[in-house]
Amino acid sequence: GESVGLHLPTLSVQEGDNSIINCAYSNSASDYFIWYKQESGKGPQFIIDIRSNMDKRQGQRVTVLLNKTVKHLSLQIAATQPGDSAVYFCAENMGFKTIFGAGTRLFVKA
Amino acid sequence: NAGVTQTPKFQVLKTGQSMTLQCAQDMNHNSMYWYRQDPGMGLRLIYYSASEGTTDKGEVPNGYNVSRLNKREFSLRLESAAPSQTSVYFCASSPNRNRVGGYTFGSGTRLTVV
Repeated sequence: GESVGLHLPTLSVQEGDNSIINCAYSNSASDYFIWYKQESGKGPQFIIDIRSNMDKRQGQRVTVLLNKTVKHLSLQIAATQPGDSAVYFCAENMGFKTIFGAGTRLFVKA
Repeated sequence: NAGVTQTPKFQVLKTGQSMTLQCAQDMNHNSMYWYRQDPGMGLRLIYYSASEGTTDKGEVPNGYNVSRLNKREFSLRLESAAPSQTSVYFCASSPNRNRVGGYTFGSGTRLTVV
């Protein structure tokens, strides 16, 4: 069935290292993907998006990679900081429908 | 720049009680949404309003009703609360239904039904 999943529920990284958060999607018709960040006690915040006609998009310290062949999405965070500690969601959009993954919790060790 | 404002932030209800969750956005967005977030699960859509004057069911509408009061405000009502409705509720908005640029979320309402 349709699903958006994450390979790891938790990820722990050293401050200053790069983080990679992965996401698998199942619907080849999905044409728009978004990563959200959710800090404790807050609502999700938009980080970066990518359309299916692209395979890479960069933002400030973040990069999203899309591999349509294996239906895989990843979020890379460069020079991870304590403020990056949060839950990260992948969201898959198919027309007017959005499916959210359960999330990966990122811990940043000082 | 308030964005999406939800009230209340916390609520405890007894089984069978009713309540309304309020949501307002100041970004002139056309589309508004109510989601619930449960541990270990992705956000699930309860109801949405693609534009002022319209509302439609989402994935998990049972036990809820909504009202799009005007372009800014979209409320969620629980008529007879059940323990299964214990959750964190998020209101969100987007410029249009195609959600280019994603959603803007409120800070959530943590609801406990005992």
